[in-house]
Amino acid sequence: QKEVEQDPGPLSVPEGAIVSLNCTYSNSAFQYFMWYRQYSRKGPELLMYTYSSGNKEDGRFTAQVDKSSKYISLFIRDSQPSDSATYLCAIAAGNKLTFGGGTRVLVKP
Amino acid sequence: DADVTQTPRNRITKTGKRIMLECSQTKGHDRMYWYRQDPGLGLRLIYYSFDVKDINKGEISDGYSVSRQAQAKFSLSLESAIPNQTALYFCATSDPSEGGYEKLFFGSGTQLSVL
Repeated sequence: QKEVEQDPGPLSVPEGAIVSLNCTYSNSAFQYFMWYRQYSRKGPELLMYTYSSGNKEDGRFTAQVDKSSKYISLFIRDSQPSDSATYLCAIAAGNKLTFGGGTRVLVKP
Repeated sequence: DADVTQTPRNRITKTGKRIMLECSQTKGHDRMYWYRQDPGLGLRLIYYSFDVKDINKGEISDGYSVSRQAQAKFSLSLESAIPNQTALYFCATSDPSEGGYEKLFFGSGTQLSVL
């Protein structure tokens, strides 16, 4: 079993819809939770970063962490074609950072 | 201008050849990393370096070596390339003063194909 599981998609939504992404993890020692966005043939870029349970908002993006269920989510409101990308969750404990496999998202105009 | 620059962008090589992927950065970060990305497997750490005199193996270092020539330069070598090393390779940097190693800054990647 992978330490971090993420549905590969693709997830296709119409423009303006809410995009819902999630990851599950198995190691309860994980403390820091991140979402990276990766456009085609580009390196990932950090989108959201949190270390506590609950919600964190940044513009159209909301990151949600449920440590009791070992489940993290990313929501994108009012999705735009420019949000089409692969989204990777990344979870850290100490010096160890583990990435999910990424979910490809396509927002159709 | 890119803060983390990788060369080449694409490379095709044959089994058994030695190749080097290069990375340079202008962010002034001490910490540098090499990752490989395979479809569905996410990013896996090959090697990392916290300063010029520090080199550490990651989870998949077999078949790879690295050199930290300067604070700004970190190269990855495949001594004898094999087909299952075909992947997208990323260099990344981080700086603890910007929140710790988890906040990585990636280059645009090198697509390597080993025939």
